[in-house]
Amino acid sequence: QKEVEQNSGPLSVPEGAIASLNCTYSDRVSQSFFWYRQYSGKSPELIMSIYSNGDKEDGRFTAQLNKASQYVSLLIRDSQPSDSATYLCAPTGGGNKLTFGTGTQLKVEL
Amino acid sequence: GAVVSQHPSWVICKSGTSVKIECRSLDFQATTMFWYRQFPKQSLMLMATSNEGSKATYEQGVEKDKFLINHASLTLSTLTVTSAHPEDSSFYICSALGTSVYQETQYFGPGTRLLVL
Repeated sequence: QKEVEQNSGPLSVPEGAIASLNCTYSDRVSQSFFWYRQYSGKSPELIMSIYSNGDKEDGRFTAQLNKASQYVSLLIRDSQPSDSATYLCAPTGGGNKLTFGTGTQLKVEL
Repeated sequence: GAVVSQHPSWVICKSGTSVKIECRSLDFQATTMFWYRQFPKQSLMLMATSNEGSKATYEQGVEKDKFLINHASLTLSTLTVTSAHPEDSSFYICSALGTSVYQETQYFGPGTRLLVL
């Protein structure tokens, strides 16, 4: 079993729709979870983090965490073409190390 | 805030030469920095953890004598790829550990693209 699993996509959504990105992880010890966005050929940039069960909202982004189910998700409201990128889910482990999944490619279509 | 720079942004070198990549935290101090490598269509793979004033900790399978890491100050870590070969061609990305409001967070540099001929 992979440590972090994400659907590689591509996930295609029309402009203005809600994009839902999902991630499961295997390490129950993980306490903090990060979502990064990576444009093609660029390095990851931080979208948001979450460490408590429930929802956390930041602008058009909402992260959801369910530690019992070992599940974390990212919702993007009012999706824009500029949101088209690969979204990386990364739980933290010991020493603040991040474990990255392969990411989900999101395509927002006009 | 939380800006991390890398230099150079890309480098082409001949097989057998050494290449040094710098990672700097510009507006915060980072006792810990991380070095990643990413091959096309693959995820980021952690190579090593760099701690200021101490030896780096390498991940399993990463040759410490080939990938030399030095973290001499709270704002600078360097990665030297020694005797580079074509299979070392990759996208090398560093991150610096900073403290946000709630928790410690990794902030990534823009990456260095290495091509070994």
